[in-house]
Amino acid sequence: KQEVTQIPAALSVPEGENLVLNCSFTDSAIYNLQWFRQDPGKGLTSLLLIQSSQREQTSGRLNASLDKSSGRSTLYIAASQPGDSATYLCAVRGSGGSNYKLTFGKGTLLTVNP
Amino acid sequence: DVKVTQSSRYLVKRTGEKVFLECVQDMDHENMFWYRQDPGLGLRLIYFSYDVKMKEKGDIPEGYSVSREKKERFSLILESASTNQTSMYLCASRQRGTYEQYFGPGTRLTVT
Repeated sequence: KQEVTQIPAALSVPEGENLVLNCSFTDSAIYNLQWFRQDPGKGLTSLLLIQSSQREQTSGRLNASLDKSSGRSTLYIAASQPGDSATYLCAVRGSGGSNYKLTFGKGTLLTVNP
Repeated sequence: DVKVTQSSRYLVKRTGEKVFLECVQDMDHENMFWYRQDPGLGLRLIYFSYDVKMKEKGDIPEGYSVSREKKERFSLILESASTNQTSMYLCASRQRGTYEQYFGPGTRLTVT
C-alpha cells in the first residue's frame, strides 16, 4: 500500500528566505506526482505536476523535483513571501490497477513572516 | 479555467439525517472524486466515478454512497449521518487520460 510522508509538518521562515519542502513515498511505481497548495478552510490548488519520466518542473518561484527510484520529491520555493503561507500537500498517482487515485501526504504548514 | 463547485461551504446536520453533498464541474470531465479531510489523517478517497453511472469504492466508502446520473454532477450521500462523519469534504474532477485533478472549495460538514 502506498504511503506518502511529508517533512517537516510545519515550517516558519522569515520573508525572502529560500526553502525546501520534502515528500517521500514508499512505492516507486507511480504515474505522476502533484504538489498542491491549500489555504485555511479552502480547497486545493494545483501547483506543479511531474510525470514519472520527468525529473523536475518549474513555475515562477516554484521548482519541484522527482527522484522516482529513491521515492522522493522536493518543492523549492525561492524568495518566500507572506502570501506563500499555506499548507502544501504532495500526492502521488499510482500506476497499474490503482492509477485512478491519488495518495496524499499530510502536508507541510508553511508560515512566512514579514 | 476549470471550475468545480460544491453546493454548500458549511453544513450542520443532526445524527440520523440523510445528507446530500453535491458537486458540479463545467469542463466535461469523465472522472470525479469525493475525498474527506481530517486533521492528522490527511485526505482520504471515499468514492470515485470514472463515467456516468459508473462508480468505484475508494479507501473509506463505509457509511457513504454516491450518484452520478449526469456527467457534470457527482453526489455524495450519507444515508444516516453520524458524528464521526463530521469532516471537510472535497470534490475533484479530472479529464480521463490527462494528469491533473481539479478540486472544489470544500464543504465543512458538522453532524451533531
